[in-house]
Amino acid sequence: DTGVSQDPRHKITKRGQNVTFRCDPISEHNRLYWYRQTLGQGPEFLTYFQNEAQLEKSRLLSDRFSAERPKGSFSTLEIQRTEQGDSAMYLCASSPRTGSGANVLTFGAGSRLTVL
Amino acid sequence: QKEVEQNSGPLSVPEGAIASLNCTYSDRVSQSFFWYRQYSGKSPELIMSIYSNGDKEDGRFTAQLNKASQYVSLLIRDSQPSDSATYLCAVNTGGYNKLIFGAGTRLAVHP
Repeated sequence: DTGVSQDPRHKITKRGQNVTFRCDPISEHNRLYWYRQTLGQGPEFLTYFQNEAQLEKSRLLSDRFSAERPKGSFSTLEIQRTEQGDSAMYLCASSPRTGSGANVLTFGAGSRLTVL
Repeated sequence: QKEVEQNSGPLSVPEGAIASLNCTYSDRVSQSFFWYRQYSGKSPELIMSIYSNGDKEDGRFTAQLNKASQYVSLLIRDSQPSDSATYLCAVNTGGYNKLIFGAGTRLAVHP
């Protein structure tokens, strides 16, 4: 197991374009989280999945943002009609639901978005 | 008031000294507390977790929790230049381990 994998690592796009990020969690983890981090700030919670069910969405997640986890494995985060304010690092994390690691979030390397 | 507050720093300490990082949180029902380290351009990695009042030691790191004062701290003994990073305090406010992060404290350990 290579940990949490995110793709792409870097994305540069023009304002108004759509972008999609993918996250592959650790295989036995059924909880998956998306966070956004801007320079000088800590990660901000965006959304949470348990298996394929999206159980919470932050108010930060406007209607231009949509996240899916169709088969309870990988997840995608799509941003439509990107704005310059969307420029940030998008972090995915996963954790098991039970067991000794249930309280621990393991983060992927992140996908850095730059909107021109 | 932010839910998790940290001094942004930078905190500058000489090599070999003790670095003390502090964090306060606003939600009294919080039960789990975490310190993550984040190197520039990298993702956060877990250093310590603490769930009950008192001290928890792991190698050069000691986490301290005082729920009555809503205060968490991290001590790094014998600080090394490789400890230079941003340290993020995180608090679990939900049953499914949703973490709320502080803005982080930047630590610089100089030789």
